[in-house]
Amino acid sequence: DAKTTQPPSMDCAEGRAANLPCNHSTISGNEYVYWYRQIHSQGPQYIIHGLKNNETNEMASLIITEDRKSSTLILPHATLRDTAVYYCIGGGSNYKLTFGKGTLLTVNP
Amino acid sequence: SQTIHQWPATLVQPVGSPLSLECTVEGTSNPNLYWYRQAAGRGLQLLFYSVGIGQISSEVPQNLSASRPQDRQFILSSKKLLLSDSGFYLCAWTRDGGMVFLTEAFFGQGTRLTVV
Repeated sequence: DAKTTQPPSMDCAEGRAANLPCNHSTISGNEYVYWYRQIHSQGPQYIIHGLKNNETNEMASLIITEDRKSSTLILPHATLRDTAVYYCIGGGSNYKLTFGKGTLLTVNP
Repeated sequence: SQTIHQWPATLVQPVGSPLSLECTVEGTSNPNLYWYRQAAGRGLQLLFYSVGIGQISSEVPQNLSASRPQDRQFILSSKKLLLSDSGFYLCAWTRDGGMVFLTEAFFGQGTRLTVV
């Protein structure tokens, strides 16, 4: 699995865009980038994934650099309910699903 | 639609007692199944994963074991619990992605285990 690096914590003002970075320099060509989030005392929730192209769904946008060594998850209008730990996972070459320490995003009023 | 069931939601067990946590998935076949533990204030630790009936891969050597007696059933067990086994246990599944080994994962609601 590709090793990922994320900042331990970030703050964002409510209503503003939250941009969460992730480095995955060892990702191989056929491995997807997945993003999950975990709200306190709940199981992680899938957000979005991508391979090469930028992706958007109802929750977020995912921007992947052309060299695929990093990506950014964008929450366009953060709300207080978006406060959570966000995990970036690069993987796909085997069945192991491992989570790093993630980024604690705190959305402030 | 697919659903994942995990029970019980909370459990208090004495040290040295056995443990059995069950997880079942509905609405899909041949899922990949996972058990995680999250200690208080810590990250998600992958304990076991399974890609088929009777196929268990262990990630962390400890006094826990896992079994997959049926395609959509995954069981986490211990013969004798330790205080350090306390934590939030999560079951998850991913679909068989063919050439794409890892697909999006869906988690159960978790079991909060307190060993006293």
